[in-house]
Parts: sequence; structure tokens; C-alpha cells
Amino acid sequence: DIQMTQSPSSLSASVGDRVTITCRASQGIRNYLVWFQQKPGEAPKSLIYAASTLQSGVPSKFSGSGSGTDFTLTISGLQPEDFASYYCHQYSSHPFTFGGGTKVEI
Amino acid sequence: QVHLVQSGAEVREPGASVRISCKASGFTFTTYYIHWVRQAPGQGLEWMGVLNPGAPTVIYAQKFQDRVTMARETSTSTVYIEMGSLRSEDTAVYYCTAGEFHGDYSTWGQGTLVTVSS
Repeated sequence: DIQMTQSPSSLSASVGDRVTITCRASQGIRNYLVWFQQKPGEAPKSLIYAASTLQSGVPSKFSGSGSGTDFTLTISGLQPEDFASYYCHQYSSHPFTFGGGTKVEI
Repeated sequence: QVHLVQSGAEVREPGASVRISCKASGFTFTTYYIHWVRQAPGQGLEWMGVLNPGAPTVIYAQKFQDRVTMARETSTSTVYIEMGSLRSEDTAVYYCTAGEFHGDYSTWGQGTLVTVSS
């Protein structure tokens, strides 16, 4: 199975900050990576697929980059509604797997 | 509008089985990829398997291969997941999610809490 390692597992930030979350795959996954946002008590929401393509309706303050084994999610101009958990997910090979998550806190 | 509505919370004893439904509306669900993902309390997300469009074909995470079945009922636009030999570690919220293409997870059900307890 492909292991997805996210870092950090949590981070503290302030409104207006720019934050970066990284995700590393244990083997190459080309660009078959999705980033999700999840708020407490809610289903996950897809932000970015194919490593860097913004899902329809997602604001451009979210951006993704990377290919192969190393990926990043960047959130520019953090707003109160962005405080949530974020997960990376590879869909390159079965079983698809998730990173452990990053909790973005105030 | 694309929508997935899941069945309600379930409580089961260890060793029992449970079936969760996921009803689709607003799209031709037979042409979509439908995944099941679960989340134990306070934990991360875990991919369980996918029902591919067309035939359909089903691919399970090996961890669940022996005790999970995913199927769809075209007449009611409903997808099901059934899990047997439940244990306490299966206590989780189970989500269905659908997408038009590989890597698309744009639509989610509201989640179904399954509690396994004696």
C-alpha cells in the first residue's frame, strides 16, 4: 500500500496568514492526489484534484502543487472558515489511501 | 442538483452485520464512481472501496475484502455497503462519495454512524 505522510499534524495560525501543508507519498503517484477539507461534524469537501486543479466553486486562495512523491497545499489569507482539518489522498493505485491529516487551529 | 442521502445511524452487537444505503439524485449514478470512506471517532479518513461506473466493477481495500460487499440497485438509484463480522473497531461514520471521473470526489453523503457495542 502507498503510505501518505502529512506534515505537520497540526499547526497554529492567525487570520490573514499563509499556511503550507505537505504530503509525501511512499512511492510515486504522478499527480493523482486530492486535497480535502473537513470541519467538525461535516463530510469532507474536495478542494483540489490532480494535485493542482481547483475543484469547481473552491476559492483561489487554495492552491496545490507537486508531482511524484512530494505535494503541497497552500492556503493564502487564512479566514476563520478555513480553520479545519485537511487531508491528502492518493488515487494512483489501489488501495487508495489518505494522509493522517493536518489540523489548522487558531 | 447532485445529491447523496444516506440511511440513518445503526447500532449493532459484535459479530453482527450492517447494511447502509446511499441514494443518489440529480445525476445518472451508473456513470459515476462511488466510493465508501469511513472515519472512526476522532480519527482520520479510511478508503474502503469503489464501485466503478458501467458494468459495474467493485474494488475493495484488501483490509475489507473478506467482509464487505458493495452493490448498486439501478431501479432506485441506490448504492449499498454491507459489512459483516462487526467488531468494536468498526465503530465509525461511513460516507459514500460520488464523482464523474477518476479523482473526483465532489459529492458526499451526510454520513452514517455505525456503533458496534455489546
